[in-house]
Amino acid sequence: AQTVTQSQPEMSVQEAETVTLSCTYDTSENNYYLFWYKQPPSRQMILVIRQEAYKQQNATENRFSVNFQKAAKSFSLKISDSQLGDTAMYFCASQIQGAQKLVFGQGTRLTINP
Amino acid sequence: EAGVAQSPRYKIIEKRQSVAFWCNPISGHATLYWYQQILGQGPKLLIQFQNNGVVDDSQLPKDRFSAERLKGVDSTLKIQPAKLEDSAVYLCASSRRGGRNEKLFFGSGTQLSVL
Repeated sequence: AQTVTQSQPEMSVQEAETVTLSCTYDTSENNYYLFWYKQPPSRQMILVIRQEAYKQQNATENRFSVNFQKAAKSFSLKISDSQLGDTAMYFCASQIQGAQKLVFGQGTRLTINP
Repeated sequence: EAGVAQSPRYKIIEKRQSVAFWCNPISGHATLYWYQQILGQGPKLLIQFQNNGVVDDSQLPKDRFSAERLKGVDSTLKIQPAKLEDSAVYLCASSRRGGRNEKLFFGSGTQLSVL
């Protein structure tokens, strides 16, 4: 069974600071995919970044990057130069190859303070 | 391109009543998902359609929940009768083919309160 765990219910940082959100997952599969989604107050989930498990290189999208540690089953999200618009719920999710559904963690509420 | 449309945005009902939610996916997207997001939790997949066929409904409480996607376009999710524990946000999402590592596009959800 797939499980995804986010151990930080809430985080808060000042604007322009760097923040790292943690995520651990458990799967017996060797091929899978990992995602970070953002959910602002509008409730619409937006894909932030994704990582294929077979790729060793960490994914990067502008100010967002991941630290993927396959052996430790860890997939953290780093947000650099944080902005007020980054305030949202952030969900880590996994998808195993051959299955199409995403399994989400419990989420981390991130607040960026001015 | 237009996003995933959902209605209504909010719904309040009493327990044992019936309710229906509507979703119109992005044009041309073959795969449609309904997720349930209870307050303080991550979304949980209820049902996944590929065109008008069901791919996965293993977590759908079939004694009270039903969903259909006639003609492989828009979809309706129904709850009959509703229970207090059904209070949640119901998110609809779509993707082009439903393949692995594919980006999902989400609607803004319907927030259901069962009193």
